[in-house]
This record gives sequence, C-alpha cells and structure tokens, in this order.
Amino acid sequence: DTGVSQDPRHKITKRGQNVTFRCDPISEHNRLYWYRQTLGQGPEFLTYFQNEAQLEKSRLLSDRFSAERPKGSFSTLEIQRTEQGDSAMYLCASSLHGLGAYEQYFGPGTRLTVT
Amino acid sequence: AQKVTQAQTEISVVEKEDVTLDCVYETRDTTYYLFWYKQPPSGELVFLIRRNSFDEQNEISGRYSWNFQKSTSSFNFTITASQVVDSAVYFCALSEENYGGSQGNLIFGKGTKLSVKP
Repeated sequence: DTGVSQDPRHKITKRGQNVTFRCDPISEHNRLYWYRQTLGQGPEFLTYFQNEAQLEKSRLLSDRFSAERPKGSFSTLEIQRTEQGDSAMYLCASSLHGLGAYEQYFGPGTRLTVT
Repeated sequence: AQKVTQAQTEISVVEKEDVTLDCVYETRDTTYYLFWYKQPPSGELVFLIRRNSFDEQNEISGRYSWNFQKSTSSFNFTITASQVVDSAVYFCALSEENYGGSQGNLIFGKGTKLSVKP
C-alpha cells in the first residue's frame, strides 16, 4: 500500500448532474477526511469518519453532499444536482488515530469541473 | 475561533537564498497542533512537520527549520539555501483537540506560493 488513492482524478459534468468520487485510504488508517480546495485557497474541511462512523460535518457540506464509508475502508462522496460553484479539487486524507495528534496523508485529489 | 493567517501570498527568490514563510494562528484551546504541508505543481499535499502546543522546541530537518513561538502565536518555516525543487505552495494548518483528547480536522491558511528561480 503506497498511499491514499482517489478516483477519478478528473471529472467534468454538466450542471444538475450527480457525481460520485471514491477514496481509498492507507489500509491501516482508521480516520478518513474529505476536504475541498478552490483555486488560490487552502483546503477546507468537509467531513470525517472514524471507521464507518461519520463523526463531524462542516456547514460547507450542504444537503446536496453525502459521504459514506460503509465498511470502514474506502469512502465515497456524492454531490447531487451539481452547481458551478461545486467546481473544485476534492481531497481525501487518512490518518491512524488514537489519542494525540497524527498527521493526515492526502491523496492526489479529484478535480471537478461543472459546466 | 480557529484561524490561520499566511500573510505572504507569493514569494520569489533566487536559488541558494534563504527564505522564511510566516504563519500566525488563532485558537482559544490550550492544546492544539500545528502543521506545514507542501503542495508542488503536481497537486498532492505532502506532510512536512507537526508540532503540538506543549513543544516549543525549534526543529531542523536538513535545509528546513521551524520556529514555534507561542508568545506571538507564530509557527514560521525557513528554507535554507533554497533550490528550484522547493518551488511549491506551502500551507500552514492548525488542529484543535476534540472531546476525547484526539485531534480534530485541519484548518488551513491560504498558502504561500514560493518560486525559486535558478
């Protein structure tokens, strides 16, 4: 296992369509995070899972966004009825979590373009 | 409220110059964690360093060094003898402690784009 992987790497969709992204974390990592990054900005937190439980959601995560991690391994992020403002890089990160701080390792991201 | 400010949007230096990237943070917690990540043109964020709020000891790793000062809420990053391969966007990030004593999500600054010219 060489790191966090994300699929697809690029997605172009028309406004109003639904899209789904997948993230495969580092295999022994129990935490999985989703972030969104727009041009010229730092990543912004969307949501995270510990194992299969979704523990926190940002207010950035509107009702059109849903994330799952059904077996505590890979995760999916779905955006329904996409809008042009959803165009961004969607980043996934994972960490091995216990007490204290553990660094998050990021995947290459999925770049979404909504036309 | 948590906040990370990287006031330098872009920095351009000539190879072999030293460069310092500034990071100022805001938090009300007494336990928190600070990070630096590098994002090269390929786009993937690369972890560089983590510091917790109880450890103000400065750190050096090769040409990289970090200066953590709680008194000024700063966590600055210096690259000595910069190289073209150092060209990237560098992000400073903050994480507070969740209920239960574990780390929460990362709050990133807007990043500093470093260009190192030959």
